[in-house]
Amino acid sequence: GQNIDQPTEMTATEGAIVQINCTYQTSGFNGLFWYQQHAGEAPTFLSYNVLDGLEEKGRFSSFLSRSKGYSYLLLKELQMKDSASYLCASMDSNYQLIWGAGTKLIIKP
Amino acid sequence: NAGVTQTPKFQVLKTGQSMTLQCAQDMNHEYMSWYRQDPGMGLRLIHYSVGAGITDQGEVPNGYNVSRSTTEDFPLRLLSAAPSQTSVYFCASSYSAGSGANVLTFGAGSRLTVL
Repeated sequence: GQNIDQPTEMTATEGAIVQINCTYQTSGFNGLFWYQQHAGEAPTFLSYNVLDGLEEKGRFSSFLSRSKGYSYLLLKELQMKDSASYLCASMDSNYQLIWGAGTKLIIKP
Repeated sequence: NAGVTQTPKFQVLKTGQSMTLQCAQDMNHEYMSWYRQDPGMGLRLIHYSVGAGITDQGEVPNGYNVSRSTTEDFPLRLLSAAPSQTSVYFCASSYSAGSGANVLTFGAGSRLTVL
């Protein structure tokens, strides 16, 4: 079956670095997405990886290993506004997204 | 540029009532979709459309209908509401389907409670 696993909740300190992991198992693979969702709001796009390696975009980076079915989102210099849920989604062979349940990130001062 | 507009933002229904969630986008996106989001679960696809006049079922289509008469609009109809349909509903669109870089733009969400 198709499955996305990510931790339910993580806590980190303002100014620190946090890594949110995601493992996926989908029928075929056409890329891995990360979205950010603040409480009560819509998800917004953060990153897309289809090739192995690290993609850096400001304070946020996303990594993909296709052979391991593994991705992570790295957030540096954490700010209070980064408190949100982070959704991992894998695109399968039919270009449909399979979503993880999301990781709620709590930032403490 | 409004993006994806969903209405209503909140709705309370009684079991057996019907209603329509409206979704409109002004980005000339071909692909539109409806998701539901429940606590502890990932977003689940209800229905989607790859263009005007074309719709297809997603993972959880039962109890819902859609139509796509124009590029801009993609309403979701609940035929006979049930408590299991209590959820937050998101409409999302993208430039096209069938692409690995299919970045979705989401509406603000509609919180539906069925009593």
